[in-house]
Amino acid sequence: AQSVTQPDIHITVSEGASLELRCNYSYGATPYLFWYVQSPGQGLQLLLKYFSGDTLVQGIKGFEAEFKRSQSSFNLRKPSVHWSDAAEYFCAVVSFGNEKLTFGTGTRLTIIP
Amino acid sequence: GAVVSQHPSWVICKSGTSVKIECRSLDFQATTMFWYRQFPKQSLMLMATSNEGSKATYEQGVEKDKFLINHASLTLSTLTVTSAHPEDSSFYICSVSPPGLYGYTFGSGTRLTVV
Repeated sequence: AQSVTQPDIHITVSEGASLELRCNYSYGATPYLFWYVQSPGQGLQLLLKYFSGDTLVQGIKGFEAEFKRSQSSFNLRKPSVHWSDAAEYFCAVVSFGNEKLTFGTGTRLTIIP
Repeated sequence: GAVVSQHPSWVICKSGTSVKIECRSLDFQATTMFWYRQFPKQSLMLMATSNEGSKATYEQGVEKDKFLINHASLTLSTLTVTSAHPEDSSFYICSVSPPGLYGYTFGSGTRLTVV
């Protein structure tokens, strides 16, 4: 069965600093990978997704993620965070032929001035 | 991208009553919709897959008689929490997956509080 691990429950970074949120997946074949962001009391917004091709994926709001098959990872990065980036971030995976999204446990991002 | 409208955004109900949550796909026909539940500070757990014109597929451990799903049209799926109890209080979110895009769009969620 597919699964997603986000090792960091909570991360705090200073505004303007770089960010990396970790995501590891478990699946036999190449999965479809997603990063979503959720503000308090809100639904989820898609930041980026990876299906195939270039392993470095660009998303919205200045985020990017790199798919590394050898490490079963899909880490999310941003070179310089803004206070508005404070939110909950979820990594998710779906396998080909199976429409069900499996979410990681999420990483809460706090931004300090 | 797809646009999904979920209503209501929040609801408070008395224990023992039923609550209906609507999920509408505004710009494409969705044969499949998904319902998730999210407890505070936790991840999203898939409850069921809603299939237009047929019975929903429930995940293991989800009571189908408690959480009634109706997908009567290609643009509307409803989740009814029957005989609600305080432990049903949660954040419920629907999503759709436009065909060919393999990207999931989520509704804004419904905060249910049962008192």
